[in-house]
Amino acid sequence: GENVEQHPSTLSVQEGDSAVIKCTYSDSASNYFPWYKQELGKGPQLIIDIRSNVGEKKDQRIAVTLNKTAKHFSLHITETQPEDSAVYFCAAATTSGTYKYIFGTGTRLKVLA
Amino acid sequence: SAVISQKPSRDICQRGTSLTIQCQVDSQVTMMFWYRQQPGQSLTLIATANQGSEATYESGFVIDKFPISRPNLTFSTLTVSNMSPEDSSIYLCSVAPAGGPGEQFFGPGTRLTVL
Repeated sequence: GENVEQHPSTLSVQEGDSAVIKCTYSDSASNYFPWYKQELGKGPQLIIDIRSNVGEKKDQRIAVTLNKTAKHFSLHITETQPEDSAVYFCAAATTSGTYKYIFGTGTRLKVLA
Repeated sequence: SAVISQKPSRDICQRGTSLTIQCQVDSQVTMMFWYRQQPGQSLTLIATANQGSEATYESGFVIDKFPISRPNLTFSTLTVSNMSPEDSSIYLCSVAPAGGPGEQFFGPGTRLTVL
């Protein structure tokens, strides 16, 4: 079935450094790739997304890149701040009849002050 | 955007009982999803609940265990039936666009502990 792998599972960076999280999806029909940030005790919140007809998208300190051929997409956070500390999930949307989102396993990011 | 509330926010239940979780959205939406998130884990889709049709369950989840109602475009319930400690988890509802995948909004979750 559909699968999304995410690496690393934990990531510690110094404040001001960059963080990169990578995901690989299995369903070549996937066409929408969101990234979510989940803080303790809250539901996930979308921080950036990309569609399959775009290779890169940037929003201030965060960016997402997509390589459809390799079925890879990555989240890049620059100039990290302590408030970036959270769990990040990637997802891929697959269409089969209706559609659904398959989530990656999550990355716990710690930004050290 | 959509604002989603869930009730209860948390509960502690005895094994063998059932709990119904409510999900209320502040706008009319077509696509609604129910997820389970075990502590420290990712989100696993339980079912897709669209108004006017039967819920579509993912592999490993069955209607007898997780009956879902979707009486209108702003409300849904998920019942966790005949609970066991393995059902201890966070249950999340979410909504998404009708015409195709797009921004998904999540409720705050219901933290369930089964003793």
